[in-house]
Amino acid sequence: GQQLNQSPQSMFIQEGEDVSMNCTSSSIFNTWLWYKQDPGEGPVLLIALYKAGELTSNGRLTAQFGITRKDSFLNISASIPSDVGIYFCAGQGPGTYKYIFGTGTRLKVLA
Amino acid sequence: KAGVTQTPRYLIKTRGQQVTLSCSPISGHRSVSWYQQTPGQGLQFLFEYFSETQRNKGNFPGRFSGRQFSNSRSEMNVSTLELGDSALYLCASSGSSSASGNTIYFGEGSWLTVV
Repeated sequence: GQQLNQSPQSMFIQEGEDVSMNCTSSSIFNTWLWYKQDPGEGPVLLIALYKAGELTSNGRLTAQFGITRKDSFLNISASIPSDVGIYFCAGQGPGTYKYIFGTGTRLKVLA
Repeated sequence: KAGVTQTPRYLIKTRGQQVTLSCSPISGHRSVSWYQQTPGQGLQFLFEYFSETQRNKGNFPGRFSGRQFSNSRSEMNVSTLELGDSALYLCASSGSSSASGNTIYFGEGSWLTVV
């Protein structure tokens, strides 16, 4: 099945550090969404992006819709232990209702 | 506002059986989509419904089917289960009627194990 390239695949960081991850696509998207998923649970929406170049924050999280419409970035500042989980990007192309998801970034925070 | 509700949360089925999963969207949301999540393939789109009509379908065999009722609740069915159908099945709902700006919110999922 289709998946977006998401990197890094996993990260081990110290509490208080900043985190960056990104997703890239070979085709353009109209919408980018970022989710966090804890084990055994469904993905929880973190940030939604609707326009190229858009920069949106949600607390310590900031995401950007790439200007080419083929990529997106998520930053987490001053990480805390509860940031642990898997982060997914999702992109939606023009004229379709389906989202294509990234391969996920597994984040582990060391106290 | 209650979130997306999926039932059952966990189930075990035998190869060859069929299964029906249920999803109640967020109140007021009329779009419901289904995704399959496996370790190997990640999150894959199954289908999307709006006002009881399927608008988009992913690349899954015909054994996977769905429907939506007039109250926006949705069900998906998998017939003739195979071991590879073991997965977390996620339902998502959206309040948008168009593809543009269609933000989706997930339920907790239904864990299906086929033995």
